[in-house]
Amino acid sequence: AQSVTQLGSHVSVSEGALVLLRCNYSSSVPPYLFWYVQYPNQGLQLLLKYTSAATLVKGINGFEAEFKKSETSFHLTKPSAHMSDAAEYFCAVSDRLGGSEKLVFGKGMKLTVNP
Amino acid sequence: KAGVTQTPRYLIKTRGQQVTLSCSPISGHRSVSWYQQTPGQGLQFLFEYFSETQRNKGNFPGRFSGRQFSNSRSEMNVSTLELGDSALYLCASRREGVRVSPLHFGNGTRLTVT
Repeated sequence: AQSVTQLGSHVSVSEGALVLLRCNYSSSVPPYLFWYVQYPNQGLQLLLKYTSAATLVKGINGFEAEFKKSETSFHLTKPSAHMSDAAEYFCAVSDRLGGSEKLVFGKGMKLTVNP
Repeated sequence: KAGVTQTPRYLIKTRGQQVTLSCSPISGHRSVSWYQQTPGQGLQFLFEYFSETQRNKGNFPGRFSGRQFSNSRSEMNVSTLELGDSALYLCASRREGVRVSPLHFGNGTRLTVT
């Protein structure tokens, strides 16, 4: 079965600092991987997706993630944090069965950006 | 293009009651999924509907059910509510026939059971 691990639940960075959110996956097939962001009282918004086309994936709001098969990782980074990046971030792997596709999510990482 | 719309945004119910939540997918999206989000369990898959048929189901009791209409709109129902059903219920839709079509989520319905 597919699974995702996001170690820790909170990370705090200063405005302008590097953002690094870690995600490790387990998958019995070549994975499709996603990062979503959730702002307070809102649903999930797609940041980026990995579909095996390229190992470095660029997303919205300056975020990117690198797929590393040898490390079974898909870490999310942003060179310079902005106050508006404060939110909860979820890594997810697609669990495909026939035509159905469900997402298996990590526990999430709450990002705080300090001025 | 309008996003996924969920109604109502907030609900307060009493134990033992039942509740129905509604979801309108993005126009052209025929697959609709439901997820439950709680602080303790995180995001968990409830079920997926496509062409008015349940295509996949998560590990939830039979009190949780859903359906999809011919216009792709979906409803989920929870009967005999328990305190533990308090959660944010998220609906998501995606386009079929596109390789790795991501899920697009609505803003959710916040259900509180007292």
